[in-house]
Amino acid sequence: DAKTTQPNSMESNEEEPVHLPCNHSTISGTDYIHWYRQLPSQGPEYVIHGLTSNVNNRMASLAIAEDRKSSTLILHRATLRDAAVYYCILRDVNTGGFKTIFGAGTRLFVKA
Amino acid sequence: EAGVAQSPRYKIIEKRQSVAFWCNPISGHATLYWYQQILGQGPKLLIQFQNNGVVDDSQLPKDRFSAERLKGVDSTLKIQPAKLEDSAVYLCASSLVSAVSQETQYFGPGTRLLVL
Repeated sequence: DAKTTQPNSMESNEEEPVHLPCNHSTISGTDYIHWYRQLPSQGPEYVIHGLTSNVNNRMASLAIAEDRKSSTLILHRATLRDAAVYYCILRDVNTGGFKTIFGAGTRLFVKA
Repeated sequence: EAGVAQSPRYKIIEKRQSVAFWCNPISGHATLYWYQQILGQGPKLLIQFQNNGVVDDSQLPKDRFSAERLKGVDSTLKIQPAKLEDSAVYLCASSLVSAVSQETQYFGPGTRLLVL
């Protein structure tokens, strides 16, 4: 199963953009890139996903490198409520059982 | 739309005791997942059901953990007997189907287990 690598933690100021990187150098052509986040004392929640093209939704943007070996989750204006652990995950329908493997994620700290 | 429900929210037991967790997925979701999340780590998939059949249980410690999903809706996860290292948050998630790699999983709030 392809793995992802993320920084352990990042810090941002409130109202500023945040770029959360993820490396996935062994990604396969059928892997989708998913991002989830986990607020304190809650279960993870879906943020965004993509395959090759950049994606935007109301929560964030996902920028995918041309070679797909890395991606960046962009929060356009960080708020205190965005303080969470962000997980970058690869999901491949061809993996028997369709496994979802979470790494340790990036803990985002947002300063007021 | 109601989310994924789990109970209890917290449980404290002594080692060698038994414990069971319950999960009610979002209505209509065919796929149900149980994850174990140890403090400071990401969730680890224990078992995945498609309707009432097991799709993947490769990381489930079958000597002490068991799970079932009767009638393809609710699910229970049991630990018998519990060990100290089972202290963790147990998360249940569901999705409409699993064999679609862009499918979104919806997580419940989790059950926090402490084994003394």
